[in-house]
Amino acid sequence: AQSVAQPEDQVNVAEGNPLTVKCTYSVSGNPYLFWYVQYPNRGLQFLLKYITGDNLVKGSYGFEAEFNKSQTSFHLKKPSALVSDSALYFCAVFSGNTGKLIFGQGTTLQVKP
Amino acid sequence: DSGVTQTPKHLITATGQRVTLRCSPRSGDLSVYWYQQSLDQGLQFLIQYYNGEERAKGNILERFSAQQFPDLHSELNLSSLELGDSALYFCASSAGGDYEKLFFGSGTQLSVL
Repeated sequence: AQSVAQPEDQVNVAEGNPLTVKCTYSVSGNPYLFWYVQYPNRGLQFLLKYITGDNLVKGSYGFEAEFNKSQTSFHLKKPSALVSDSALYFCAVFSGNTGKLIFGQGTTLQVKP
Repeated sequence: DSGVTQTPKHLITATGQRVTLRCSPRSGDLSVYWYQQSLDQGLQFLIQYYNGEERAKGNILERFSAQQFPDLHSELNLSSLELGDSALYFCASSAGGDYEKLFFGSGTQLSVL
């Protein structure tokens, strides 16, 4: 079955500290993985994607994500958090078998000054 | 601005009624996706159309239907509405390829009273 799990409802981090938002997935075949961000009263915005190649993917706003096939994970990271990074973050997986893009439940990131 | 337009922004209606949500994709995008976002269910994939044809189907209720018209705009029809249908409905579009990033509209907030 195709699924995405974001084990943390909320992540709190101090400004300037590194942040990690966790994501694990389950899919048949090759995984195609995405991160999106949602600010209040807005639609989701694309951050980055992994299709193939280098396991470390760089995206918008200084975010990056590391694909780990053995752990079926795709954690989102940023070396130094900003207060403006506070938002709701969604991990998603596309399956070529089902043709569906499925999202996780979302993780609220709170960056405190 | 993502370039995806959804109307109306807000919709308040009563149980048992029928409503239509409209989505205009970004210029040139062939794929349209519909998602439902609620606090308890998260972001649920409903359905995807590609150039007028249904491409993938998710957790869409039989009371719901959608279509994509020749000009590529899409409508999501919700009928026999129930209180539990209250949610934020997002439309997204992409150029069409399976691994393309999605551009989301700002959503239609549906309240069923």
